[in-house]
Amino acid sequence: KQEVTQIPAALSVPEGENLVLNCSFTDSAIYNLQWFRQDPGKGLTSLLLIQSSQREQTSGRLNASLDKSSGRSTLYIAASQPGDSATYLCAVNGDKIIFGKGTRLHILP
Amino acid sequence: EAQVTQNPRYLITVTGKKLTVTCSQNMNHEYMSWYRQDPGLGLRQIYYSMNVEVTDKGDVPEGYKVSRKEKRNFPLILESPSPNQTSLYFCASSLAVTNTEAFFGQGTRLTVV
Repeated sequence: KQEVTQIPAALSVPEGENLVLNCSFTDSAIYNLQWFRQDPGKGLTSLLLIQSSQREQTSGRLNASLDKSSGRSTLYIAASQPGDSATYLCAVNGDKIIFGKGTRLHILP
Repeated sequence: EAQVTQNPRYLITVTGKKLTVTCSQNMNHEYMSWYRQDPGLGLRQIYYSMNVEVTDKGDVPEGYKVSRKEKRNFPLILESPSPNQTSLYFCASSLAVTNTEAFFGQGTRLTVV
């Protein structure tokens, strides 16, 4: 059974710093991995989708990597801003989508 | 605009009163699913549908029903809601279950008193 773990559960960093969020999964037989952002009480906004054949995807200040063989993905956020404060979720798509519990990120002004 | 639309966004109801949360997508997606999100438990899949008239249970289907009579709509039905179904619900769709991006609705916050 696929299990998805996100570490840390919460993170506070000063504005301007680069940071890395981690996602690990137990079953490497996946189609893709997707990173989402969720603001408190709100919906999920898709940030990046990495297909199983890809190693990384970039969108603006965000870069996501995927190492399927080791069951790991990272989300790199460059030059963090207070507006980046949110919960970040990774979701692994095998025969169904399994979510991690998220990393709650707080950027300190 | 490509989107998944859920209604209502907020709902407070009483135990035992049947309710339906609607979900509609305008992207001609085949795959649709429902999730609930609870503190400490994350997002868990309730039901999913691979196509019209094809539905199956997810991880937490007890107390819920779904139907998929049309490709664009996938309503979630609570025949007799209970307080433990108080949660934030999300509908999602994707072109297929495999290597395609999932799109989520804005969520429905349900409170059962």
